[in-house]
Amino acid sequence: GESVGLHLPTLSVQEGDNSIINCAYSNSASDYFIWYKQESGKGPQFIIDIRSNMDKRQGQRVTVLLNKTVKHLSLQIAATQPGDSAVYFCASRVGGKLIFGQGTELSVKP
Amino acid sequence: NAGVTQTPKFQVLKTGQSMTLQCAQDMNHEYMSWYRQDPGMGLRLIHYSVGAGITDQGEVPNGYNVSRSTTEDFPLRLLSAAPSQTSVYFCASSYATSAAGELFFGEGSRLTVL
Repeated sequence: GESVGLHLPTLSVQEGDNSIINCAYSNSASDYFIWYKQESGKGPQFIIDIRSNMDKRQGQRVTVLLNKTVKHLSLQIAATQPGDSAVYFCASRVGGKLIFGQGTELSVKP
Repeated sequence: NAGVTQTPKFQVLKTGQSMTLQCAQDMNHEYMSWYRQDPGMGLRLIHYSVGAGITDQGEVPNGYNVSRSTTEDFPLRLLSAAPSQTSVYFCASSYATSAAGELFFGEGSRLTVL
């Protein structure tokens, strides 16, 4: 079946450092990928997306990298701030359905 | 902007009871979906709809029914609640018909089945 996994369930970084959250997907037919951020008690919020015909996309302080050869994508957050503390989910689209990973909890130390 | 509105936010049921989780969006989105979120399991797709009158099953549809009579509303029905359905439920919508774009999520409905 489909699976989208994350390499680490928790990640702790120092304020101001860069954060890298990794994600692996299983289906090579995945054509679209999204990263979401979920703060405690709230619904997930869109961060950035990337289509399978790209290998990099940048947003404000965030960059997503896609490596289709090894079916891996990562989310990089520059100059991590306390407000970045949350659970981060990757999701891949296969056959019109979005399949989510389990999430990585990012903690930012002041 | 209201966005995606879910009600109720909290609900406690006894095994065997039925209830409906309501979801409404005011963004004229064609695509709507329901997910459940359990610890360590991420978000799992229950049912989705690509437009009024059209629904389809996701990863974990058993025990749940949906209908889409209007573009705005996508209720999720539990006909006979079971403790395994204790979870946080999220409704989400998208302007694209195949979840191609950004999914907008509601704030969630926390359901406990005793």
